[in-house]
Amino acid sequence: QKEVEQNSGPLSVPEGAIASLNCTYSDRGSQSFFWYRQYSGKSPELIMFIYSNGDKEDGRFTAQLNKASQYVSLLIRDSQPSDSATYLCAVNMRGDSNYQLIWGAGTKLIIKP
Amino acid sequence: NAGVTQTPKFRILKIGQSMTLQCTQDMNHNYMYWYRQDPGMGLKLIYYSVGAGITDKGEVPNGYNVSRSTTEDFPLRLELAAPSQTSVYFCASSYVGGAQETQYFGPGTRLLVL
Repeated sequence: QKEVEQNSGPLSVPEGAIASLNCTYSDRGSQSFFWYRQYSGKSPELIMFIYSNGDKEDGRFTAQLNKASQYVSLLIRDSQPSDSATYLCAVNMRGDSNYQLIWGAGTKLIIKP
Repeated sequence: NAGVTQTPKFRILKIGQSMTLQCTQDMNHNYMYWYRQDPGMGLKLIYYSVGAGITDKGEVPNGYNVSRSTTEDFPLRLELAAPSQTSVYFCASSYVGGAQETQYFGPGTRLLVL
């Protein structure tokens, strides 16, 4: 059973601090890793994707991937109240001729002013 | 581009009724997906399609059917609705084979079965 695990939270972080979100996955063959943000009552929207080990930065967001330890994380610097949302981690599962993402249940992030 | 559109936004069904959830994408994506999301849970894949005329089951296909006659449209059919099908349904699409295989989501359909 291929799984993606996230701490459900809520994770409460003061405004201006760094929020750290973590995700572990079970399939060692996974190659693509995605972080989506989902506001309450809305659909998921992509924040970042990462394919290679190491860090990938995009503005205030940094994705970190460690394939040996099978975890991927998302750092949000200078957290803003607008960052309050549920963050979904998704990992690819590539089969013979298909492509599926396995989704974590999400971590609810609350940024306190 | 409108991206991925879904109709209706909200629907109440009685047990045993049937309905079709519509999904259309205008990004010329080859892959399309149907997910359901129960409160506080992640996304569960119901069905997906790798191109017109080709569909396959996901993790939770029971009680649902799909068809894909065109690249743009991927309707989801619920037969004999049950309370367990109360959920939010998201349609998504992606282009698989390019540099980035991001899934783009529609706004969702909230379904209540009573």
